[in-house]
Amino acid sequence: NAGVMQNPRHLVRRRGQEARLRCSPMKGHSHVYWYRQLPEEGLKFMVYLQKENIIDESGMPKERFSAEFPKEGPSILRIQQVVRGDSAAYFCASSPSLGSGSHRQYFGAGTRLSVL
Amino acid sequence: GESVGLHLPTLSVQEGDNSIINCAYSNSASDYFIWYKQESGKGPQFIIDIRSNMDKRQGQRVTVLLNKTVKHLSLQIAATQPGDSAVYFCAEIPFSGGYNKLIFGAGTRLAVHP
Repeated sequence: NAGVMQNPRHLVRRRGQEARLRCSPMKGHSHVYWYRQLPEEGLKFMVYLQKENIIDESGMPKERFSAEFPKEGPSILRIQQVVRGDSAAYFCASSPSLGSGSHRQYFGAGTRLSVL
Repeated sequence: GESVGLHLPTLSVQEGDNSIINCAYSNSASDYFIWYKQESGKGPQFIIDIRSNMDKRQGQRVTVLLNKTVKHLSLQIAATQPGDSAVYFCAEIPFSGGYNKLIFGAGTRLAVHP
């Protein structure tokens, strides 16, 4: 019974390149959330998606960042033209859609992005 | 509110002692509160949650207390073990017609000494 799977675990990019982070939710979960964490800080909400829909992207920068959760396949967080300030750990979480426990989010191990 | 980029406060305890980790939250309308444990290099791990209409909930070796009057949450860990060493975050979920985000506190590092 696999948990939330994120890949890659570590990603190194040079300034100006694109970063693609992938997240497969837990089996049976249809809600996906992306968070960003800087060292020694709590996680900051970025975006909440359901299948094929962005529900809340209030925490995502307006430029260079985008997210999708297609009907088939993992959720993707895409960062275009990365800058050094994008270096952080990016975590994905998922939750079930209905029933008790639908408020609980379960996290993946994260992708650590380093921008050179 | 948002967490601030400060060095994490650290709670040091002896193995076997009880630990109490505190958290202040910001939104009096939040519906759920959750404690997460994060070990180095890993994602947050769900520990226990409590709904806003409760003031206490117990799990295995852990108890969460909610004081809505002063917007304070605490996590009590009984008989703390070396494996409990981690950073602990509280998170609140504002209910807005659906659960859509967690708002994390700043975190507390728990260091357990043998």
